[in-house]
Amino acid sequence: GAVVSQHPSRVICKSGTSVKIECRSLDFQATTMFWYRQFPKQSLMLMATSNEGSKATYEQGVEKDKFLINHASLTLSTLTVTSAHPEDSSFYICSAIPGTGTNYGYTFGSGTRLTVV
Amino acid sequence: EDKVVQSPLSLVVHEGDTVTLNCSYEVTNFRSLLWYKQEKKAPTFLFMLTSSGIEKKSGRLSSILDKKELFSILNITATQTGDSAIYLCAVVAGGTSYGKLTFGQGTILTVHP
Repeated sequence: GAVVSQHPSRVICKSGTSVKIECRSLDFQATTMFWYRQFPKQSLMLMATSNEGSKATYEQGVEKDKFLINHASLTLSTLTVTSAHPEDSSFYICSAIPGTGTNYGYTFGSGTRLTVV
Repeated sequence: EDKVVQSPLSLVVHEGDTVTLNCSYEVTNFRSLLWYKQEKKAPTFLFMLTSSGIEKKSGRLSSILDKKELFSILNITATQTGDSAIYLCAVVAGGTSYGKLTFGQGTILTVHP
């Protein structure tokens, strides 16, 4: 089945530093990937839609200069949290669509738990 | 704005009980409704529903969609402690080629032995 790999699974960084999270589709090409953020015991909130070869589309209220998204190839999208602050601590999850007509829905990466200290 | 609402927000039952989770939606250009189970990490796919009235089953889980009334239910029979998780409903909608996924708030299910 379709597999999305996300790395790292957990990261702790100091306030003011930047953190890069990678999302890879392992056995399919993904022209579109999605980045979500999840706070404890809450649902997933879509942050942005990542499009291969073009600029990402950000949801309302998400700072594009703070959450930099790069989708340079058909199998890789990256999310960089710049100048991280403690309020950026959260669970970040990416997802991709394995293709039309499948029964898999959207496939999710395993998530990255970011803690900013 | 697309909206997906799940109920109840939390549910505590004992092993062997049957539970019904609800999901209602208001979206533009509905395409499909998805159910996921989330334990400690990323959500795992359960069902994709696109047509009204057709029940999908997987073991003790089943789900059905009503596109006229704009809701779906997820049933779990003979619950087990391993069913404890957050159950997420999401709707794919919109006019783009891929659709946009909007999640409900989730239902936290706790199954006691």
